[in-house]
Amino acid sequence: GAGVSQSPRYKVAKRGQDVALRCDPISGHVSLFWYQQALGQGPEFLTYFQNEAQLDKSGLPSDRFFAERPEGSVSTLKIQRTQQEDSAVYLCASRGGTGVTYGYTFGSGTRLTVV
Amino acid sequence: GENVEQHPSTLSVQEGDSAVIKCTYSDSASNYFPWYKQELGKRPQLIIDIRSNVGEKKDQRIAVTLNKTAKHFSLHITETQPEDSAVYFCAARGFSGGSNYKLTFGKGTLLTVNP
Repeated sequence: GAGVSQSPRYKVAKRGQDVALRCDPISGHVSLFWYQQALGQGPEFLTYFQNEAQLDKSGLPSDRFFAERPEGSVSTLKIQRTQQEDSAVYLCASRGGTGVTYGYTFGSGTRLTVV
Repeated sequence: GENVEQHPSTLSVQEGDSAVIKCTYSDSASNYFPWYKQELGKRPQLIIDIRSNVGEKKDQRIAVTLNKTAKHFSLHITETQPEDSAVYFCAARGFSGGSNYKLTFGKGTLLTVNP
């Protein structure tokens, strides 16, 4: 597609519920990132994929957070047993390559509200 | 890891005036510095970026300067217009720990351009 697509745009979850957030990167983009953006803050890095390999998951807040990209295209961020502090916008970004000339394109995000 | 500080957190200017937003970074090996504009509820959009081998870059009313020695970079918007009102984020891509792919963001500046 023309851009990075994320779904759903909005998700309300009851505390303790599991959620799955989807990211469709730009076709052919090698690199994929997940960021968490709390209200009034800048995006914070969660995890990075190069093709299907998850090369960095150092930003995942706890073992309740899990991300996958099994075929090197679509990625899913899963949060188990959601808690109120998980409420944030989850942004996905992709890059066409790993060289310095490749820019990052962000999706519109999924706004997760845990009640 | 990389740490990015951004100032001011809010900035209000009159239409036609200039606006300057400043950022500092900690990783002297960082080589890529993008600026993003984010309107309420929308995706961060790249407005300009600069690489470490360049001191200044300009695109119409927007310019970015980089001082590698002092480890700071700035966004300059001239002849501001009401449609420039948004949150602006600076970011840096560091090399610490081999993470030459991860963008670290500042906390953002809310720019308001008053007609």
